[in-house]
Amino acid sequence: DVVLTQSPLSLPVTLGQPASISCRSSHGLAYGDGNTYLSWFQQRPGQSPRRLIYKVSNRDSGVPDRFSGSGSGTDFTLKISRVEAEDVGVYYCMQSTRWPPTFGQGTKVEIK
Amino acid sequence: QLQLPESGPGLVKPSETLSLSCSVPPGSITNNNYYWGWIRQPPGKGLEYIGHIYYTGSAYYNPSLKGRVTLSIDTSKNQFSLRLSSVTAADTAVYYCARVPHPLGSCSGATCFSFDSWGPGIVATVSS
Repeated sequence: DVVLTQSPLSLPVTLGQPASISCRSSHGLAYGDGNTYLSWFQQRPGQSPRRLIYKVSNRDSGVPDRFSGSGSGTDFTLKISRVEAEDVGVYYCMQSTRWPPTFGQGTKVEIK
Repeated sequence: QLQLPESGPGLVKPSETLSLSCSVPPGSITNNNYYWGWIRQPPGKGLEYIGHIYYTGSAYYNPSLKGRVTLSIDTSKNQFSLRLSSVTAADTAVYYCARVPHPLGSCSGATCFSFDSWGPGIVATVSS
């Protein structure tokens, strides 16, 4: 199975400051159709996950533009340009390029 | 965000079968752009893919569940369901249903998808 390794696992951030989460894959995630099926999800405390980003860098409708995704091959990054209080939660990457789909272990973002 | 409420018993005995259902807005379950899936999250842990199913009944299952899982779909009731047999305490988790947009065409049903709308989740506890 593809192993997705996120870092850091815990990310204390000052309000208004940027944050960056890495997701590294044990295998390349480019599919034969030219796309890379890597998504990012946010799970706020006590809530179900919400998709933020799909195919590496495509933001879902309603997701603030302070969230951005980038990367290729085996290295991917989720960036928050200026962290707000509502961004507290756990963030997961997920791949479905290779079977079976797998999730990263999660990165907990908290306010310092 | 699509409303996808899960339902089912919250408590199951070890070795028995866990059965959960997810309700989908009328008319959307047969949309050929979507599969319908299940994901679970053990207490304090991360997310685990369980499986996903198309309105035709074609389904994919996580091999880690070793044949214990079966998904089904009832288009007349706008519902899809999960059955997990021979449960143990390790199956205690919050179970989420989700919509699965799929590009079709260029990909097999097993790949190239994501989960774009999630239900609120339902807690299932395995205990005698």
